[in-house]
Amino acid sequence: NAGVTQTPKFRILKIGQSMTLQCTQDMNHNYMYWYRQDPGMGLKLIYYSVGAGITDKGEVPNGYNVSRSTTEDFPLRLELAAPSQTSVYFCASRWGSREQYFGPGTRLTVT
Amino acid sequence: RKEVEQDPGPFNVPEGATVAFNCTYSNSASQSFFWYRQDCRKEPKLLMSVYSSGNEDGRFTAQLNRASQYISLLIRDSKLSDSATYLCVVNIGGGSQGNLIFGKGTKLSVKP
Repeated sequence: NAGVTQTPKFRILKIGQSMTLQCTQDMNHNYMYWYRQDPGMGLKLIYYSVGAGITDKGEVPNGYNVSRSTTEDFPLRLELAAPSQTSVYFCASRWGSREQYFGPGTRLTVT
Repeated sequence: RKEVEQDPGPFNVPEGATVAFNCTYSNSASQSFFWYRQDCRKEPKLLMSVYSSGNEDGRFTAQLNRASQYISLLIRDSKLSDSATYLCVVNIGGGSQGNLIFGKGTKLSVKP
């Protein structure tokens, strides 16, 4: 049982490039989430999903897209990367109203 | 009033001290409550869920007061390894944000 896994761990992008951050969970959780955390700041919700085929915007969705074609996977797509998207990205999942489990994060730098 | 508010930090305490954090929430329909711990540059990890009757796990005690809409975390006999940021999390049930609201966190620094 690996829990929540994220790839890559680190990435450097040039301005205007695109990339997909991968997130997979093997706990059969219905809810999945993407957060970003800037240095010294709290978590900000980007997108979340309540189940396969259903996604919704969080607090800071601009510049990102998601899809949820399976229960296990919840990739986050960055189109036209900007320096403001330099951050640590955490994926998380949970079942119902139970506790949330986080992946180890992806550290992204856009230069 | 913000949905979830935590004590402003940082808390700087000596080893062996007892320290308490409070967290208030605004939605009276909130269903479940959690304390998470986040170490620098790491992902948040569940410290403990908070039950209506209160619960204890070793040196950690969590309390819930639904009437006053706050939860608390008490750490006894602080260790250097307790230094971290502690996040209060509230499941508001229904609505946006996937039901979970995170506090901004309270930073604890335990000194020798």
